Amino acid sequence: NAGVMQNPRHLVRRRGQEARLRCSPMKGHSHVYWYRQLPEEGLKFMVYLQKENIIDESGMPKERFSAEFPKEGPSILRIQQVVRGDSAAYFCASSPRSSQGSETQYFGPGTRLLVL
Amino acid sequence: GNSVTQMEGPVTLSEEAFLTINCTYTATGYPSLFWYVQYPGEGLQLLLKATKADDKGSNKGFEATYRKETTSFHLEKGSVQVSDSAVYFCALSDGGAGGFKTIFGAGTRLFVKA
Repeated sequence: NAGVMQNPRHLVRRRGQEARLRCSPMKGHSHVYWYRQLPEEGLKFMVYLQKENIIDESGMPKERFSAEFPKEGPSILRIQQVVRGDSAAYFCASSPRSSQGSETQYFGPGTRLLVL
Repeated sequence: GNSVTQMEGPVTLSEEAFLTINCTYTATGYPSLFWYVQYPGEGLQLLLKATKADDKGSNKGFEATYRKETTSFHLEKGSVQVSDSAVYFCALSDGGAGGFKTIFGAGTRLFVKA
């Protein structure tokens, strides 16, 4: 059973370009979470999605950032007009529908974005 | 709001030493508590978890007990190995309307010397 997959693993962009990060959740998982990790810091929640719905985007910057999880295909985190401060590791996690109230999230290997 | 505080690193130990990494939390309700480990250049791996008070999570010689009275979830290992060198994150999941989003501590880097 393949784990959470993210691509690309490394992404280099120049200021002003767009970055598109992809996440394929584990098979059977319908919940996707995106986190950002700045150098030497912990992970910060960005957004929580279910298929075709954004459930909680309280951690997303108001501008330039968007996320989607379409009915078919991977979840996409899009950053428009990137700036140097966007350089970070972006992690995706997925979880199954659980009735037990203690969902474990399974993390992908991350995409390391470097903005030049 | 909910938060997690863990001891600052780095922590440097010799092989076979005893490890404790402190973690305390603030939460409304009854969160689940987790320890994740991150090896260099990799994503996070779940190390152990506990879902209710007095539960003990354990894995690979690591253990942590959910202490509601002290709002703590300290990570311990009796004898560390060089291969345990990594960054350890304490986390909680509140299971509320926000859909079980996980809140992480800042991480504690562990170096184990041979």
